[in-house]
Amino acid sequence: QKEVEQDPGPLSVPEGAIVSLNCTYSNSAFQYFMWYRQYSRKGPELLMYTYSSGNKEDGRFTAQVDKSSKYISLFIRDSQPSDSATYLCAHQGGSQGNLIFGKGTKLSVKP
Amino acid sequence: GAVVSQHPSWVICKSGTSVKIECRSLDFQATTMFWYRQFPKQSLMLMATSNEGSKATYEQGVEKDKFLINHASLTLSTLTVTSAHPEDSSFYICSAREENRGGEAFFGQGTRLTVV
Repeated sequence: QKEVEQDPGPLSVPEGAIVSLNCTYSNSAFQYFMWYRQYSRKGPELLMYTYSSGNKEDGRFTAQVDKSSKYISLFIRDSQPSDSATYLCAHQGGSQGNLIFGKGTKLSVKP
Repeated sequence: GAVVSQHPSWVICKSGTSVKIECRSLDFQATTMFWYRQFPKQSLMLMATSNEGSKATYEQGVEKDKFLINHASLTLSTLTVTSAHPEDSSFYICSAREENRGGEAFFGQGTRLTVV
């Protein structure tokens, strides 16, 4: 079983829609979870990170962790065409802090 | 946030030649640098972890003699793909981490390598 599972999409929504992106993970020892955004042919950039369970909000973005079901989510409100990118969930893996990524979900927001 | 500069952004090389990719942390000292590889429609896969002044730790299945990593200073790590083959064509991304910044890892822009 892969450590982080993520539906690769693609996901296409109209501008202004609420987007829900999800990942599941297998190891309950994971504590730190991140969401990265990656534009085509660019390196990933950190959007948000959360520790343990709960919600974290930053502008139009909300990250949610449900440790009981090993489920992490990213919600985007009032989605914009500029949000079109691949979104990767990740958790901190090895002892030196390397990240383990999901496959990424490709999001397209249509104007 | 901190800046990690990766160079070149893209490179095309002939099969059998070697290619060097540089990763620099511009405004912080990177105690640890990571090298990832990303094939089309796949996630980033860790290749190796390097700490300044010591040998890199390679992930299972990654040939250390083919992918040479040097982390000679706290601001520079290099990845050299030796005797490149078309199957090495991929997107290579470095990441740098500094303990004093809460351990957050910052990513370079990535290098698109095409071996013909």
